[in-house]
Parts: sequence; structure tokens; C-alpha cells
Amino acid sequence: DGGITQSPKYLFRKEGQNVTLSCEQNLNHDAMYWYRQDPGQGLRLIYYSQIVNDFQKGDIAEGYSVSREKKESFPLTVTSAQKNPTAFYLCASSIPGQGTEKLFFGSGTQLSVL
Amino acid sequence: LAKTTQPISMDSYEGQEVNITCSHNNIATNDYITWYQQFPSQGPRFIIQGYKTKVTNEVASLFIPADRKSSTLSLPRVSLSDTAVYYCLVGDPSTGGSYIPTFGRGTSLIVHP
Repeated sequence: DGGITQSPKYLFRKEGQNVTLSCEQNLNHDAMYWYRQDPGQGLRLIYYSQIVNDFQKGDIAEGYSVSREKKESFPLTVTSAQKNPTAFYLCASSIPGQGTEKLFFGSGTQLSVL
Repeated sequence: LAKTTQPISMDSYEGQEVNITCSHNNIATNDYITWYQQFPSQGPRFIIQGYKTKVTNEVASLFIPADRKSSTLSLPRVSLSDTAVYYCLVGDPSTGGSYIPTFGRGTSLIVHP
């Protein structure tokens, strides 16, 4: 089945530690996105990538980093510079430039600080 | 990007029709209107998309007046499983790299027995 897979489902970070969230898709989509969601809030864009080896900062990129070495993969690293990382992280993909573009989301990763 | 405004929350009862309105006064000529549904601890999923007049699928209907400054998502005969957050997005997907899907707080719909 085609889809977008995020792992792990739950992740705990210690003080000063970097952690990496995985996002893999087999939909052959060019565009991929990372969103952060805090309780009772909407989704805020962290980073996005429209094509391999290229990515752009979203609204809240500080304290995060990404890479896009393969079309299928868009990992997100939450660095120690992110002082309030506890949140629900969502990865999405889409085909850019289509008139009826829609996003496909993974099931999310809940990150908590120990 | 066009800014959208939705009610923060709505309540309904099983079997009723629910209409959620989204305002987007500065919608651009080429912008589409897209709605997503999100259950707790899950990613949003696409419900419906439209440009003008009315669009219907197996899940919902989308009504867009002639001036396109608002749109209404209509859920017929809701059930408890329709309890979720609903997001309205406006943008022009055909612009490729310049279209960045932006989510507001959405509308939290609670369906009561």
C-alpha cells in the first residue's frame, strides 16, 4: 500500500540532546512538509521541500534541521537549540503544481522532554 | 496567501446536518478552497476541494457563493465519529513552489449522542 510513514510514534528527549524524527513516503511525491502541532492549536510549518536536495524554512524553523537526500525521505532533527520541543509532529507529502493538490499525512510523532 | 477565519468550535447531535463556514475575504482569482479533517493524535486527511458553486462527494458537500469570499462545508447526518477538527485552506496549488499549505486553528466539532 502506498502511504507516508512516520517513526517512532512516541519519542522522548533528554536535556541537550538532538533527536531525529523519520518520515518516509512511497507515493512518489515531490513535495514534503513538516508541521508542529501544540495541544488545541493548528499546524505550524517547520520546513518544506519541493524537490530533492532542496528545502526551505517555514514559519518556525529555529531549533530544527532537515535533509532531503532522497525523494522518499525527509527526516527532521530537533536540536538542543529548540527549548520547547514537546509537541505532536506531522509529516506530509503532495504533488506540487497540480490543480487539485492535496496533502497526505503520516500518523505523527509525539515528542516529549524528559 | 488568503487568510481564513473559522469558528473555533461547534456542537451538534447525531443525525443532524452540520454546516461549518470559512471566511476568506481576500481570496485570489486562482485560489482553490480545501477542507481537511483531523482526529486526535492523527494527521489531517483531505475531505473536499472546490473552486466555485457546489462540490459533493461521498463524505461532504462544499458550497461556494459567487463572490467566493466564504465557503461552507456541509456534513449530512453527522455521527459520533464525525467529532474532529476541520480545517479550511485557501491557495493556488497550481503555482507549485509558491503554494505552501497553511493551517489555522480549525473548527473543533463535537457531536453529542
